[in-house]
Order: sequence, then C-alpha cells, then structure tokens
Amino acid sequence: GAVVSQHPSRVICKSGTSVKIECRSLDFQATTMFWYRQFPKQSLMLMATSNEGSKATYEQGVEKDKFLINHASLTLSTLTVTSAHPEDSSFYICSASPGANRNTEAFFGQGTRLTVV
Amino acid sequence: SQQGEEDPQALSIQEGENATMNCSYKTSINNLQWYRQNSGRGLVHLILIRSNEREKHSGRLRVTLDTSKKSSSLLITASRAADTASYFCFSISSGSARQLTFGSGTQLTVLP
Repeated sequence: GAVVSQHPSRVICKSGTSVKIECRSLDFQATTMFWYRQFPKQSLMLMATSNEGSKATYEQGVEKDKFLINHASLTLSTLTVTSAHPEDSSFYICSASPGANRNTEAFFGQGTRLTVV
Repeated sequence: SQQGEEDPQALSIQEGENATMNCSYKTSINNLQWYRQNSGRGLVHLILIRSNEREKHSGRLRVTLDTSKKSSSLLITASRAADTASYFCFSISSGSARQLTFGSGTQLTVLP
C-alpha cells in the first residue's frame, strides 16, 4: 500500500518555542493532506486540511496562527506549532490519499508525540 | 468535524472469544474504514467498506455496514492477545465538504 512518512516521531520542546512536523507521501502525489490531533485516551480530531499550493482549511476552534500549515509540494506538508505551550502536548498525525477518488483508503503517518515542557 | 460514536468504549475478553465493536456516524458516506492503534502509536488500516457494500471479510475480520441506520460493526473472531489495541472507525462524507470523522474508539483488551 501507499506510504506516508511523518517526522519526527517524538519531540520534546520548551514552552515558547516552535516545532515543525513533516508529512511526506513517499510513493504517490497528494494534493490534499490532513492533520489530526489526539489527546491521551481520546479519539483523533481533524485539525486542518492542507491543500497544495493554497491556504489550509482549519476546523472550528483550531487557531490558524498557532498551527501553521505549509503544503509546498505534492508530496510534503508541514505543520508548525508556534509558541508551544504545555497544553499543546499531544499526538499529531497526518494522512493522505492517492488521487481524488474518495473511495480509496486514507494512509496515515506514524504520528508525532509532542511534549512541551 | 463531528466525532462519531463507538460502543463499547472498552471491551475485555478472553483469548479465543469474538469481539464486536459498533460505530455510528452522522452523514452520508462514500466509505467507512476501520483502523487499529496500539498504545501511543500510529494507525494501522484494517478494512474499507464502500457505501454500496453491506458486509466484507478480511481474515479474522468481518465488517458490516448499514447505511440506513448509519452504523457499522467490526467483528474480530478467535481473538488473540496481540489484538489488544484501540479500534477506530473512520468515515468520509459523500458531500462536497468531504467531512472526515473518527469514531470515539473502542479499547479492546484480550486476556491470554
């Protein structure tokens, strides 16, 4: 199956700093990628939709100035958590699907566990 | 996006027993997918069922879909301790807005 690679898998940062998470589709092009956040013992919540060459679409309640998304190529989307605070500590995961066919499965990255101290 | 509902929230069974998890969703969908997640790890795709399908099998997994009730079930037969994980349903709406929704998840524990 298609592969989505996410990096880093774990990161610890100090409050006030910024952290960048990369999501790459390794063997297919993805015009759209998705970013999710998962708090402990909870489900995954969609944060934003990353669109190649245009602005990301954010879900209600997600601050676009805090979670910067860049989708500069058909195989790479980045999520930058700016001025991170301890409450931003969470598991972040991206997904992408090959092509525009909605009947294909979504492929997920391995996730990034962010801890803000 | 709105979160779908899953039940039970937690399920504990003995090895060899069957485990059934149920998922309900809110919008019309193109397909519904099931994923498993080991503690603190990424998601593993298990099975995809399209909106025009009612049942699908893959190894020890059986998935049903009832679009009239907007519900799906995942059955794991002859469970093993290695099946211990969280299981999530994931739906993609059929509307132009393409709503992506995970269920609330079921934590399955299979006791050896």
